[in-house]
Amino acid sequence: AAGVIQSPRHLIKEKRETATLKCYPIPRHDTVYWYQQGPGQDPQFLISFYEKMQSDKGSIPDRFSAQQFSDYHSELNMSSLELGDSALYFCASSFGGSSTDTQYFGPGTRLTVL
Amino acid sequence: LAKTTQPISMDSYEGQEVNITCSHNNIATNDYITWYQQFPSQGPRFIIQGYKTKVTNEVASLFIPADRKSSTLSLPRVSLSDTAVYYCLVGDMERGGADGLTFGKGTHLIIQP
Repeated sequence: AAGVIQSPRHLIKEKRETATLKCYPIPRHDTVYWYQQGPGQDPQFLISFYEKMQSDKGSIPDRFSAQQFSDYHSELNMSSLELGDSALYFCASSFGGSSTDTQYFGPGTRLTVL
Repeated sequence: LAKTTQPISMDSYEGQEVNITCSHNNIATNDYITWYQQFPSQGPRFIIQGYKTKVTNEVASLFIPADRKSSTLSLPRVSLSDTAVYYCLVGDMERGGADGLTFGKGTHLIIQP
């Protein structure tokens, strides 16, 4: 079965640069979530979108923004990168926009900020 | 949000049944319980979800006592590939909307031969 696709899988950036992470949800899924997981840390929720509208907001820094497009894919834009932004970024998708829907996670994008 | 407490780590052996208990003393009436599994450098994977009593699927069972202040994930006949971090999450099913999951400190389960 098709899974969540994230690109790129690995990304290396310098401090103060920008980065864009992409997420392609499972076909027919209408909801996308973004999570950040630092080294040795537990996943932290950043933001979610349902039917292209922001649904819930977590600990997303002001330097980050995200959106969901008409084809339901989502992009996480990160500016003024800091060393502390180095982490695994997971995208998850679900269908239905409900808090009880099962979230299916992608393989993640490993961002390294030098 | 109901806070959850799980053991930091557990060890077991192949072929054994493993039970991981999660405490959620201030769980609300509208809250449900979900467990996720995560392997290193991979995204979390849904295991099971329940509200009360017992839920069973092809992977695990979830036992929830009547007071719902705790829940136990049961993994039958574990194998080396079950070595992972297991997260217990509590969410509000009445809130609606695509809410993000709140991951607490999970349980590092290590299965030995």
